[in-house]
Amino acid sequence: EAGVTQFPSHSVIEKGQTVTLRCDPISGHDNLYWYRRVMGKEIKFLLHFVKESKQDESGMPNNRFLAERTGGTYSTLKVQPAELEDSGVYFCASSQLTSGSSDGELFFGEGSRLTVL
Amino acid sequence: LAKTTQPISMDSYEGQEVNITCSHNNIATNDYITWYQQFPSQGPRFIIQGYKTKVTNEVASLFIPADRKSSTLSLPRVSLSDTAVYYCLPSGGYNKLIFGAGTRLAVHP
Repeated sequence: EAGVTQFPSHSVIEKGQTVTLRCDPISGHDNLYWYRRVMGKEIKFLLHFVKESKQDESGMPNNRFLAERTGGTYSTLKVQPAELEDSGVYFCASSQLTSGSSDGELFFGEGSRLTVL
Repeated sequence: LAKTTQPISMDSYEGQEVNITCSHNNIATNDYITWYQQFPSQGPRFIIQGYKTKVTNEVASLFIPADRKSSTLSLPRVSLSDTAVYYCLPSGGYNKLIFGAGTRLAVHP
């Protein structure tokens, strides 16, 4: 079974440009999460989808970031316009849990590395 | 959300048992303790999860005392491929994970 896949694996853009990251969760996983690690910092939660609905977007840094999950399958994270401080690795994860239970695991993708010059 | 404290780094040798302890003094009643492993250029990978007492799977054991204020991940007979960063994470509700700095384990020949 395919795991969580992310595209692109690495993107290099200039400040002010737009980048869209894509995440394909494991088939059947209703929960989809975005996390990111900026250089030298810890992995930080960005947001959580349950199917196509945003369950929690408390970690989104500002309105330059837009996440969508139309149809409840894959998700995109758009950064527009990108700033230097957006550089980092963006991880996507998915899980089967559909309730508030903690008894389960998240499956992470390998991440999309974003470099803003 | 519960704050965790774990050693920044640890060193070990192949074949040894490694125990990584994490403190989480203000863990919530409904939080589980989950440990993830991360290799360079990869996403975190689930290792083990428990609520209290002892849990064992094919790769590790997890010990959680009755007060649940700490937990210990035990890796039996480590190999070079176990060199990674290990994260201790209380997970409560929808698995919103709060990552700390983790413990960087280096296994030497």
